[in-house]
Amino acid sequence: QVQLEESGPGLVKPSETLSLTCTVSGGSMNSYYWSWIRQSPGKAMEWIGYILYSGSTDFNPSLKSRATMSLDTSKRQFSLRLTSVTAADTAVYYCARGVVGDYVWGPDDYGRFYYFDDWGQGALVTVSS
Amino acid sequence: EIVMTQSPATLSVSPGERATLSCRASQSVSGNLAWYQHKRGQAPRLLIYAASTRAPGIPARFSGSGSGTEFTLTISSLQSEDFAVYYCQQYNDWPPALTFGGGTKVEIK
Repeated sequence: QVQLEESGPGLVKPSETLSLTCTVSGGSMNSYYWSWIRQSPGKAMEWIGYILYSGSTDFNPSLKSRATMSLDTSKRQFSLRLTSVTAADTAVYYCARGVVGDYVWGPDDYGRFYYFDDWGQGALVTVSS
Repeated sequence: EIVMTQSPATLSVSPGERATLSCRASQSVSGNLAWYQHKRGQAPRLLIYAASTRAPGIPARFSGSGSGTEFTLTISSLQSEDFAVYYCQQYNDWPPALTFGGGTKVEIK
C-alpha cells in the first residue's frame, strides 16, 4: 500500500516562493508520474505537473513559468517549488501518484491515459502578508 | 482547455437509494475519464478510470458509463461510507493538460 504525505510551510508571503515536499511510503518510485494537484477555495482541482523517476518534468502551461519539481529517490521524496506567489496560489496542495500509459481502442482511437491512483491528504498553503 | 462540468452540485440521497452523478465535457474526451471520491480530511480515492473500469478494490455498487461529452457515475445502493464529494477528471487533452470537474457533494437526505 502506497502512502503519500505532503509537508511544508502553511503560510507564504506574496512574491515569495512556495515549497512543498511529498514523502512516499511503500511501492516503487519507478514507472510512475509523481504529480502535484491543487484546489483553491471554491474552484475545481488544477493539475500542476509531474516529475518522473528520471527527473523529467512537465507542467500545466498556466503554471509552467513559475513551477519546478525535483526528486530525491534516496529519501523517497519529490518536491514542488512555485515562485512569485500571489493570493491566487492559496490552495490545498495534493501530491499524487500518476499512472500513465498507452491505450488503443481502435484504428482511429488511441492515445495516452493519465490518472491518479494514490493521493496524499493535502496541505493547505495560504499566501498572505 | 477542456472544461468539465459536474451536476448537480449537491445531491441529497437516503441510504440504500441509487445516486446518479453527471459529468459533461466541453468537447469530446472519448472514454478518457476518471472518477474520484473525496471525504473531508482524507486523501482522494480513485474509483473509475477509462470511463467505466473500476479501480482495484472498488465495490461493484460503483459504476461508470458514457463517452464523448457525457458521463455518469452511479452508486447503486448508497452506504453510509459513500457520502462524500465526487470529482471527474479528463485526460484526453493531455498533453498539454488534464482538467477536473468542480465536484458533486453527495449528502444524507
